[in-house]
Amino acid sequence: GENVEQHPSTLSVQEGDSAVIKCTYSDSASNYFPWYKQELGKGPQLIIDIRSNVGEKKDQRIAVTLNKTAKHFSLHITETQPEDSAVYFCAASRGTYKYIFGTGTRLKVLA
Amino acid sequence: DAGVIQSPRHEVTEMGQEVTLRCKPISGHDYLFWYRQTMMRGLELLIYFNNNVPIDDSGMPEDRFSAKMPNASFSTLKIQPSEPRDSAVYFCASRAGTGNYGYTFGSGTRLTVV
Repeated sequence: GENVEQHPSTLSVQEGDSAVIKCTYSDSASNYFPWYKQELGKGPQLIIDIRSNVGEKKDQRIAVTLNKTAKHFSLHITETQPEDSAVYFCAASRGTYKYIFGTGTRLKVLA
Repeated sequence: DAGVIQSPRHEVTEMGQEVTLRCKPISGHDYLFWYRQTMMRGLELLIYFNNNVPIDDSGMPEDRFSAKMPNASFSTLKIQPSEPRDSAVYFCASRAGTGNYGYTFGSGTRLTVV
């Protein structure tokens, strides 16, 4: 069935360093790839998304890249700050409003 | 806008009891989703509605689970009878049918069945 693999499951970085989280999807018809940030005790919050007709998208310190041929996409956070500490989820959708979520990455930014 | 509102935030109940979780989506959003989150299984889609009509309930684990959306501003997820393995955080999310495709999640209901 449809599957999204996400790595790593945990990631610790020093404040100011970059963090990269990678996801691989199985459904070649997927065309929408959102990323969510979940802080403790809260629901996931959309932070950035990319559609299949674009290879890269950037929003301040956050960027997402997409490689359709290899069926993988990545989240890049530069100049990390303590408030970036959270669980990050990737997801893939074929535009039917139904997402397949990755298993999550717990990011810890060390001050 | 107050966002997606879920109640209660926490629910502790005894095995065998009926549990009802509630959700108010963002006004104007015509899609509503119920997700369950556990450490073992991550985020699982249980059911989603479009214009108050259930579209896909293939994720509902078994007949003990049911969901309704009587109007555009309210949905319920009911578990009857509840079991300890139902313990999880249940999220409701909504989105508009047009524009960007991102969901807005509520803060969730943490359910503990003892």
